[in-house]
This record gives sequence, C-alpha cells and structure tokens, in this order.
Amino acid sequence: QKEVEQDPGPLSVPEGAIVSLNCTYSNSAFQYFMWYRQYSRKGPELLMYTYSSGNKEDGRFTAQVDKSSKYISLFIRDSQPSDSATYLCAILTGGGNKLTFGTGTQLKVEL
Amino acid sequence: GAVVSQHPSWVICKSGTSVKIECRSLDFQATTMFWYRQFPKQSLMLMATSNEGSKATYEQGVEKDKFLINHASLTLSTLTVTSAHPEDSSFYICSAPVDDNTLHFGNGTRLTVT
Repeated sequence: QKEVEQDPGPLSVPEGAIVSLNCTYSNSAFQYFMWYRQYSRKGPELLMYTYSSGNKEDGRFTAQVDKSSKYISLFIRDSQPSDSATYLCAILTGGGNKLTFGTGTQLKVEL
Repeated sequence: GAVVSQHPSWVICKSGTSVKIECRSLDFQATTMFWYRQFPKQSLMLMATSNEGSKATYEQGVEKDKFLINHASLTLSTLTVTSAHPEDSSFYICSAPVDDNTLHFGNGTRLTVT
C-alpha cells in the first residue's frame, strides 16, 4: 500500500464551482499535511499546511484533515480558470522535512 | 518571501554527456536541500537529500555515482547527471526548507537526453 494515495483525475469543473480534492494516507502517525499547486512546467507552490486534525481556511481555500479516517481534503470555493493546475497533497513522513507526495490531481476550471 | 532559484530551466544534451543543475536559496540559508524527479503525469519522487558540508543521502534505488550532488555552501546545491541516457530525461526539481515544516521549490529543470 502506498503511503499517500490521490486520484490523478483529470477533474473538469465550470467556473464558480466548489472543488473537492482528496487524498488518503496509510500511517496514522503522520501529523503534518500539505497541499501544493503545480502549474505546467513549474515547481510546486505551497498552498496550505495543517497540523493534526481539523480545518484551516485561507481565502477561497480550505484544508481539512480527518485523522480517524486518514483522509485529507482541499476545497476550493468559487473556482476560477486561474485555479487550473495540478494539486498535490504531501505528508511529512520522516524527520528533516522529508515529504511524500500524492500523484497529484489535474484540475481544469472552464469558462 | 523565501525564493528557491533553479538553473537551467531546460536543457537538451546528447547521450553520454553530463549535465549540471544548480539550486540556490536566494534570501535564506539552507543546510539541507532536496532533489526530486518527476516523470510526466506522475508525482514527485525524492532522489536525495543534499547536506551542506557533508555527503548527500540517497533514496533507495537512486545511483549515487550517476547523480552527483554537491552542497558547497549554505545557498547552493548542485545535481550533476553523469553519462546521461534517454531514460534520464525527466523534470528535476530542488527544494529547500524555510522552517521545520515548510519546503519551497524551485521551478524545475526539464532535461531531455537525445
């Protein structure tokens, strides 16, 4: 079983829709969860990170962690065409900033 | 904000030659940097951890003699792909920690080996 699983998509939504992106993970000991956005041919950009369970909101973005089901989510409200990118979940799986990434979900927001 | 600069952004080389990729932390110091490889439509796979002033730590399955890493200063790490072959064609990305839990990434280097 992979440490982090993510549906690769692609996911296509109309502008203004609420987008839900999800990952599951295998080890209940993991504590730090990140979401990165990656535009084509660019490096990943950190969107948000959360520690342990709960929600964290930043503008149109909400990150949610459910440790009981080992499930993490990123919600995007009022999605825009500029949100079209690949979204990667990442989990701190070891000491020293060692991150394990999901495969990324490709999102397209259409006009 | 913290910026990680990676150079070159793309490179094409002939099979058998070596290619060096640079990763710089522009406004902060990084005793550790990370090198990732990403194949099309796949996730980032950690190749190695670069440590300033000491040897790099390689992930299982990554050939240390093929992917030479040097971290000569607190702001610069280099990855050299030696004797490159077409199967080494990939997107190579470096990152540096800004704090205990936050990594910033460079914009990547697309390597094509012909």
